[in-house]
Amino acid sequence: KAGVTQTPRYLIKTRGQQVTLSCSPISGHRSVSWYQQTPGQGLQFLFEYFSETQRNKGNFPGRFSGRQFSNSRSEMNVSTLELGDSALYLCASSLGQGDGTQPQHFGDGTRLSIL
Amino acid sequence: DAKTTQPPSMDCAEGRAANLPCNHSTISGNEYVYWYRQIHSQGPQYIIHGLKNNETNEMASLIITEDRKSSTLILPHATLRDTAVYYCIVFLSYNQGGKLIFGQGTELSVKP
Repeated sequence: KAGVTQTPRYLIKTRGQQVTLSCSPISGHRSVSWYQQTPGQGLQFLFEYFSETQRNKGNFPGRFSGRQFSNSRSEMNVSTLELGDSALYLCASSLGQGDGTQPQHFGDGTRLSIL
Repeated sequence: DAKTTQPPSMDCAEGRAANLPCNHSTISGNEYVYWYRQIHSQGPQYIIHGLKNNETNEMASLIITEDRKSSTLILPHATLRDTAVYYCIVFLSYNQGGKLIFGQGTELSVKP
């Protein structure tokens, strides 16, 4: 069974640009969550999508947005990039019952560097 | 804020059991304890989770105290490939945000 696939693996952008990251969940998984990992802040929750709807959201500015398609694939967009957005962006998928009984499985992330 | 507390680092001899402790004194009755590990430059890998009872799978065992205020992850025969950062996490159900709250984790070094 294929795991969570994130593309691209590496990305370099400059300040002010925007970027779109892609995540393909494990087959059958309906929930996709996004996390940001930085050396200073660790792993932080961005948002979660379930059945094409944002179900939960973390404490990030509106420049960070996402969406989910009918096949459960998800994209994350960051507009007006800042130096502080340099991070590893991780996607995780799960069956999505919402009660914690089923684990989230992570991809290997997209490493975004802002110059 | 993370609901768990872990030692920042631990060492373990190869072939011995690694016992990683975690405190989660404010855990609620319906919140699961999850363990993940992360090897440098990879995404976190799911290990095991539990609610009240002890759990075992092919990777590890999870021992949860009766009052649920702490737990221990046991890697029965640690190998060099088990060197990683181990995260103990309380999963918040969806009416509380539906997310994994990661703390700083324990950096486990398995030495030959």
